[in-house]
Amino acid sequence: AQKVTQAQTEISVVEKEDVTLDCVYETRDTTYYLFWYKQPPSGELVFLIRRNSFDEQNEISGRYSWNFQKSTSSFNFTITASQVVDSAVYFCALSEANRDDKIIFGKGTRLHILP
Amino acid sequence: ETGVTQTPRHLVMGMTNKKSLKCEQHLGHNAMYWYKQSAKKPLELMFVYSLEERVENNSVPSRFSPECPNSSHLFLHLHTLQPEDSALYLCASSQDTGLPTGELFFGEGSRLTVL
Repeated sequence: AQKVTQAQTEISVVEKEDVTLDCVYETRDTTYYLFWYKQPPSGELVFLIRRNSFDEQNEISGRYSWNFQKSTSSFNFTITASQVVDSAVYFCALSEANRDDKIIFGKGTRLHILP
Repeated sequence: ETGVTQTPRHLVMGMTNKKSLKCEQHLGHNAMYWYKQSAKKPLELMFVYSLEERVENNSVPSRFSPECPNSSHLFLHLHTLQPEDSALYLCASSQDTGLPTGELFFGEGSRLTVL
């Protein structure tokens, strides 16, 4: 069975603060892929990152960074110096290599960045 | 401008109506998907098409009927829906259904309300 848990339903922070969105996953496969998507108020989900299970190197892209830890089955997402435009729902997702059509999404974390 | 366009953006229908949702992708992708997003529930994969052939049907009720006439267009035909079918229906596309690509491109969704 595969499962993605985003325990934080909703988070509010003041602009310029750092914020971390948690994601914990479950899978029996050794080969799998993890994703983060952003859903702004307009509705469309926007792909942010994909990480495969063999690459635990953390990644930084501008103000965004991702911490992948297989030991704790976590793939957390940090926004540094948050901005109002970061307000959105963020989804963590998992796909197993032998089930290529099935990207399973977590319930999402709604992030409010307050001015 | 998104590469995946969905119409209508909003739809209100009675339980006896028949309507259709349309999705068009301008990305040259080979795979298209329908997802259902309900309040406080994870995104649910409904249907997957690869090169116009259905490859996945996640036990969706027959009142939802997909159609993929070509690799650029995807429809979701709706009839005799229930109020619990009210949700945001998201269309997505990807280069292919196989990983490791895994990146989905989403439309902005069609907000459906069933009265």
